[in-house]
Amino acid sequence: EAGVTQSPTHLIKTRGQQATLRCSPISGHTSVYWYQQALGLGLQFLLWYDEGEERNRGNFPPRFSGRQFPNYSSELNVNALELEDSALYLCASSLGYEQFFGPGTRLTVL
Amino acid sequence: GNSVTQMEGPVTLSEEAFLTINCTYTATGYPSLFWYVQYPGEGLQLLLKATKADDKGSNKGFEATYRKETTSFHLEKGSVQVSDSAVYFCALSGSSQGGSEKLVFGKGTKLTVNP
Repeated sequence: EAGVTQSPTHLIKTRGQQATLRCSPISGHTSVYWYQQALGLGLQFLLWYDEGEERNRGNFPPRFSGRQFPNYSSELNVNALELEDSALYLCASSLGYEQFFGPGTRLTVL
Repeated sequence: GNSVTQMEGPVTLSEEAFLTINCTYTATGYPSLFWYVQYPGEGLQLLLKATKADDKGSNKGFEATYRKETTSFHLEKGSVQVSDSAVYFCALSGSSQGGSEKLVFGKGTKLTVNP
């Protein structure tokens, strides 16, 4: 069974640009979570999608947004990039209480 | 709100040494508890889990027991190997009754095992 996949692996942007990160959940999983792992800040919850709806969001500004598609894959969009958005962005999927993580997308903002 | 406090690292051990990484939590209700491991350059892998008081999670020689009376979920391994070098995260999920919840993580503990 294929695990959670994320693309791209690495993404380099400049300040002010927009970034789009993608996540494909494990087959049959309907929930997708996004987490940010920034240096020195640990792992912070960003967004949770389930059945196409945003269920919860963490303490992040509105320029962090996303969506979930009918096939349960998800996109995370970050607008007006700032230097401090540089981080590893992890996607996880679940069917119940256990979350399975993808390898992450490393976003670098120059 | 829910929170996890994890032993600060880094932790450096010799091969075959005993490992303990402390983790305590604050939560309402009956959370599920997890230990995740992150190897260099990779995402998170679930190491073990426990969903109710007194449950013991175990995997690859690692163990942790859900202690509701002390709100703790300490990670232990009797004999570490060089390949155990990684960052370990303690985490909780607000509900063990099905229904997905976000994970709240501790800050992580970096373990280095020397030969």
